Amino acid sequence: DGGITQSPKYLFRKEGQNVTLSCEQNLNHDAMYWYRQDPGQGLRLIYYSQIVNDFQKGDIAEGYSVSREKKESFPLTVTSAQKNPTAFYLCASSIGRTTGANVLTFGAGSRLTVL
Amino acid sequence: GENVEQHPSTLSVQEGDSAVIKCTYSDSASNYFPWYKQELGKGPQLIIDIRSNVGEKKDQRIAVTLNKTAKHFSLHITETQPEDSAVYFCAARLSGGYQKVTFGTGTKLQVIP
Repeated sequence: DGGITQSPKYLFRKEGQNVTLSCEQNLNHDAMYWYRQDPGQGLRLIYYSQIVNDFQKGDIAEGYSVSREKKESFPLTVTSAQKNPTAFYLCASSIGRTTGANVLTFGAGSRLTVL
Repeated sequence: GENVEQHPSTLSVQEGDSAVIKCTYSDSASNYFPWYKQELGKGPQLIIDIRSNVGEKKDQRIAVTLNKTAKHFSLHITETQPEDSAVYFCAARLSGGYQKVTFGTGTKLQVIP
């Protein structure tokens, strides 16, 4: 079955450490996204990529970094510069990068807790 | 940029009753309005969407209405069932080129058996 796989599902990190969240999709989608979910704040866009080797900052990119070396992979690194990294992180993808509606397909998420 | 407000933040209904969730958006250039359902421990999943050239869309027990003049849209769930319990997000997307989707803050719906 096609879908998005995020790993790990749960992750604990000490302050000052970088951590990388994995996101892999086998839907052959061009575009991929990272969202952060906090209680009462909905989903906020961190980074998005419309095509391989290209990505753009979203609304809350500070303290995060991404890469898009392969179409199916879009890992997110939460750096020590992110002041409040404890959150639920969602990866998503969509078919195209052109005009028209972009239906998002989400992974099951990764919960990061900073101790 | 676009701003989407969603109300209520929590909603409890008796099984069989209807549930209504309302959203407003700020940018009249938005032309696509999806609704996502997020069950506990899972990622959101699209349940219905509507484009700006349509006033209402229905899919079995769920329907969405759009009022472009007032810049608000609503999700209606009829004959609610316990499996409808989840967090629902509305969203809006601007027209023209690539535009990101802006989400509302979510509504936690509880259907009481």
